[in-house]
Amino acid sequence: RKEVEQDPGPFNVPEGATVAFNCTYSNSASQSFFWYRQDCRKEPKLLMSVYSSGNEDGRFTAQLNRASQYISLLIRDSKLSDSATYLCVVIGSLNTGFQKLVFGTGTRLLVSP
Amino acid sequence: ETGVTQTPRHLVMGMTNKKSLKCEQHLGHNAMYWYKQSAKKPLELMFVYSLEERVENNSVPSRFSPECPNSSHLFLHLHTLQPEDSALYLCASSRDDLRADTQYFGPGTRLTVL
Repeated sequence: RKEVEQDPGPFNVPEGATVAFNCTYSNSASQSFFWYRQDCRKEPKLLMSVYSSGNEDGRFTAQLNRASQYISLLIRDSKLSDSATYLCVVIGSLNTGFQKLVFGTGTRLLVSP
Repeated sequence: ETGVTQTPRHLVMGMTNKKSLKCEQHLGHNAMYWYKQSAKKPLELMFVYSLEERVENNSVPSRFSPECPNSSHLFLHLHTLQPEDSALYLCASSRDDLRADTQYFGPGTRLTVL
């Protein structure tokens, strides 16, 4: 089983729509979670952290469900500029005991006029 | 944004060539990373440096050789690569790696091996 799994999409939605992505993770001991955004041929950039109590930033809402080991990202009132790949990221451990970020393959979102 | 820069942005090389990728961070961070991103695959962590010491080599072939001369610079030396090594190579930095915090990525080097 992959450490972090996402539906690759693409999700095709019209402007103004609400869209949600889910991501599942295998390590129940994971403590920290993030959503990164990656535009075509660009580097990943942090979108938001995911807290146990949920996290909202404008049109974006992230939720964590520890019991089911999944996190979600909800985007309301989609804009054309939201078109990108959304990467689910979970904290993992290196063999040396340090921490690392474990990335999913990403979910591609296409918002059309 | 110029927090993390990478050069070159694009590189085409033959299997017998030797080249180096360069990364520089201007954020005062202590940890730096090399990742490989291939099509339809998740980012793969290759190397981690903390305070210029390598703390992880994630089973990367020896044809990739990292170098971290100081906390602001990171190199990836390439030699006798294979076509399957063609990918986007991303450098990242974070304040430290004791607690994997937000990582800031450079724009990447798109590598093609012929």
